Amino acid sequence: GAGVSQSPSNKVTEKGKDVELRCDPISGHTALYWYRQSLGQGLEFLIYFQGNSAPDKSGLPSDRFSAERTGGSVSTLTIQRTQQEDSAVYLCASGGLGTEAFFGQGTRLTVV
Amino acid sequence: GEDVEQSLFLSVREGDSSVINCTYTDSSSTYLYWYKQEPGAGLQLLTYIFSNMDMKQDQRLTVLLNKKDKHLSLRIADTQTGDSAIYFCAETYNDYKLSFGAGTTVTVRA
Repeated sequence: GAGVSQSPSNKVTEKGKDVELRCDPISGHTALYWYRQSLGQGLEFLIYFQGNSAPDKSGLPSDRFSAERTGGSVSTLTIQRTQQEDSAVYLCASGGLGTEAFFGQGTRLTVV
Repeated sequence: GEDVEQSLFLSVREGDSSVINCTYTDSSSTYLYWYKQEPGAGLQLLTYIFSNMDMKQDQRLTVLLNKKDKHLSLRIADTQTGDSAIYFCAETYNDYKLSFGAGTTVTVRA
């Protein structure tokens, strides 16, 4: 596709359930980022993938959060045993090394 | 460190100029960016400046960079209602990872 695609666009889940959020980056982009944006807040860095290097997971808030990137392309962010404080918009972005990032429209996660 | 700081709110009258300020901490930043987020939408790159430049102008947008003070600003001339959005300042640090400020919410009033 022409841009970064995220799915689903909206997800409502019950507390304690696991969720998977998907990101399809722009073809050829080696960098992929996950950010979280809570209501009225700025962007919270979660994880960064760059090519075949080990991902930078320093922003993941707890061990309930994990992400993988298969074949250097599609990425999945998994949140296990969701909590209400996990409710936020999860944004994915892709780009080149050290250059601008192109963002998807985000997945709005609501934990009830 | 990778702290990027911005003021949270700016209210400006239609037709006036808006100036959004940002300070950053990483002196090794190579690029600095301004992103715009309209209500309910993702972030879009507005403009960027390479760290060896002092100024960049693009139509109504002027970016000023003071490397000594680690200060970045975005000036929007002739602000319009369509400019109402959240503006994020960002820097690259460790030569690859983007770090964002909290965002400045710009409200344009008639």
